[in-house]
Amino acid sequence: QSALTQPASVSGSPGQSITISCTGTNSDVGSYNLVSWYQHHPNRPPKLIIYETNKWPLGVSNRFSGSKSGNTASLTISGLQADDEAHYYCCSYAGNNIVFFGGGTKLTVL
Amino acid sequence: QVQLQESGPGLVKSSQTLSLTCTVSGGSISRGGYYWSWLRQSPGKGLEWIGHIYYGGDTNYNPSVKSRVSMSADASKNQLYLNLNSVTAADTAVYFCATGYRVHYFQYWGQGTLVTVSS
Repeated sequence: QSALTQPASVSGSPGQSITISCTGTNSDVGSYNLVSWYQHHPNRPPKLIIYETNKWPLGVSNRFSGSKSGNTASLTISGLQADDEAHYYCCSYAGNNIVFFGGGTKLTVL
Repeated sequence: QVQLQESGPGLVKSSQTLSLTCTVSGGSISRGGYYWSWLRQSPGKGLEWIGHIYYGGDTNYNPSVKSRVSMSADASKNQLYLNLNSVTAADTAVYFCATGYRVHYFQYWGQGTLVTVSS
């Protein structure tokens, strides 16, 4: 089983929207609406921002939104802010109580 | 709110066993409903799920480390344990413990602890 595929980097200006893709297979992303997304700032633990493809944990801004089409899940961040600059990771259930992460995407806010 | 704190040696020699402890507060690991996981991030790389233990003692591991890893828990101490044997430089990473209501997401995380494997 391979890690999910994410772009290495994306960038956007404050106020803009960006989308990060997460491509898996029909054994993971394509089979389950169980994708989660994490924001990871340096020297901090990762923070859950989307779970079960498009749900928000309590306290997470609705500027973050998730979706899925086929074997690809996506995270959209609208109204970019300087503090959104971080690494973002997707994670998908792959059956048999196992999960896999994507390689991560570095978001730069210009 | 559940809080987690990892602890253990920061340096392990190659071919030996990496052993870490995760101390949980704000919730009992034996109450049920939570999956207790270990994850890691190697330098310059992404997150990797290592495995989890459920309150009944059931475990599941990432196939990439399954032959070398074991997880356990001590409910009386509210602690979780990770053992990874036959380590190599590739096991150098920040190790996190984390938990969530479902196997497929991680809601609460520890701060992480860096483990370096030396030759």
